[in-house]
Amino acid sequence: EPEVTQTPSHQVTQMGQEVILRCVPISNHLYFYWYRQILGQKVEFLVSFYNNEISEKSEIFDDQFSVERPDGSNFTLKIRSTKLEDSAMYFCASSEQNRQGQAFFGQGTRLTVV
Amino acid sequence: GESVGLHLPTLSVQEGDNSIINCAYSNSASDYFIWYKQESGKGPQFIIDIRSNMDKRQGQRVTVLLNKTVKHLSLQIAATQPGDSAVYFCAERAAGANNLFFGTGTRLTVIP
Repeated sequence: EPEVTQTPSHQVTQMGQEVILRCVPISNHLYFYWYRQILGQKVEFLVSFYNNEISEKSEIFDDQFSVERPDGSNFTLKIRSTKLEDSAMYFCASSEQNRQGQAFFGQGTRLTVV
Repeated sequence: GESVGLHLPTLSVQEGDNSIINCAYSNSASDYFIWYKQESGKGPQFIIDIRSNMDKRQGQRVTVLLNKTVKHLSLQIAATQPGDSAVYFCAERAAGANNLFFGTGTRLTVIP
């Protein structure tokens, strides 16, 4: 069964450092998403991406965040200068159609900012 | 803003019994609702969805009920199995939007 894969599974970084979280969406999917889940809290939408541009973003997705599809397979989330409060699970998801509710999620990257 | 919440943070059921997980939402403009299952160490997994023009939808061993009058959503799992142990989230989407808003989750524990 096709799946969304994320690397690394766990990333520890110093406050102020840049991190890049990587995702390989399902190959025939055209819509890509990032979510985060702070420990014990709700899953929160960050951004959706289609046709090489951001289609929607939440208030959380400020100038410190950026997304990119550098090649035909990867979809990345970059946090330029990490803060302690960026510590969370980050989930990538993809969907074949513009239907966020039917997206397939990856297993997540746990980001710990120290 | 939207508020999606769950009545109970934990639920324990005996294997073979039916489970009912509840969710309240506050945005009357929401027209699409989803239930997700999240197992430990994994991302959310789509279970079943329902549109606001329906009040019931059935899947394999799962049923979602929507009561728009009281803005309440429930997930019923028939003959609960140990593999059903997970955190279950509801999510809602407002009409005309694509963003999902998730609830906090209910942890379902199935007792063998």
